[in-house]
Amino acid sequence: SYVLTQPPSVSVAPGQTARITCGGNNIGSKSVHWYQQKPGQAPVLVVYDDSDRPSGIPERFSGSNSGNTATLTISRVEAGDEADYYCQVWDSSSDHYVFGTGTKVTVL
Amino acid sequence: EVQLVESGGGLVQPGGSLRLSCAASGFTFSTYSMNWVRQAPGKGLEWLSYISSTSNTKYYADSVKGRLTISRDNAKNSLYLQMISLRAEDTAVYYCARIGTTRQFDYWGQGTLVTVSS
Repeated sequence: SYVLTQPPSVSVAPGQTARITCGGNNIGSKSVHWYQQKPGQAPVLVVYDDSDRPSGIPERFSGSNSGNTATLTISRVEAGDEADYYCQVWDSSSDHYVFGTGTKVTVL
Repeated sequence: EVQLVESGGGLVQPGGSLRLSCAASGFTFSTYSMNWVRQAPGKGLEWLSYISSTSNTKYYADSVKGRLTISRDNAKNSLYLQMISLRAEDTAVYYCARIGTTRQFDYWGQGTLVTVSS
């Protein structure tokens, strides 16, 4: 089955840039979606199709995808960005949706 | 406004059964595929099951295949998850989620907690 690997944690100072990676075999050939989940809340879609943002999501959230790694970038990090982040793809070879292992972003 | 509201969670004994529901509003439910996703306490997101808009296609995660059945009633704008032979490791918050045009989960409910314990 397809596996998506994320770093368990990323720490960043306010105003700096956080980069969260999502590794998968030839993930560049898939559409990658990213979710933000704050404690006690449901996940929220923040980036879809590698780099597009749903309405209402700040431009500070951006994404890229190439080769074996997709990346979610959060620019000018704010305290409110502290959350867990998950990547997700559709694996057509197994007809399964797959989530990454999740990354906890801590704002110092 | 898109709304998804899950219900039916609660405490169930090991080996028991439970039926979860998800009431949808604010969009044309019958034209969207839907999913169930769960999250065990302190753990990550786990996709469970998918159902197409017409119920013609259903997919299940390997970990739950044979114990979970997804269904929907488009006339009632409702999604369901029937769970049997429940185990302690099924304890989790269960979310329903709508699938967008490129297979992203674009809207989520707030979740319903299922606790499997004696």
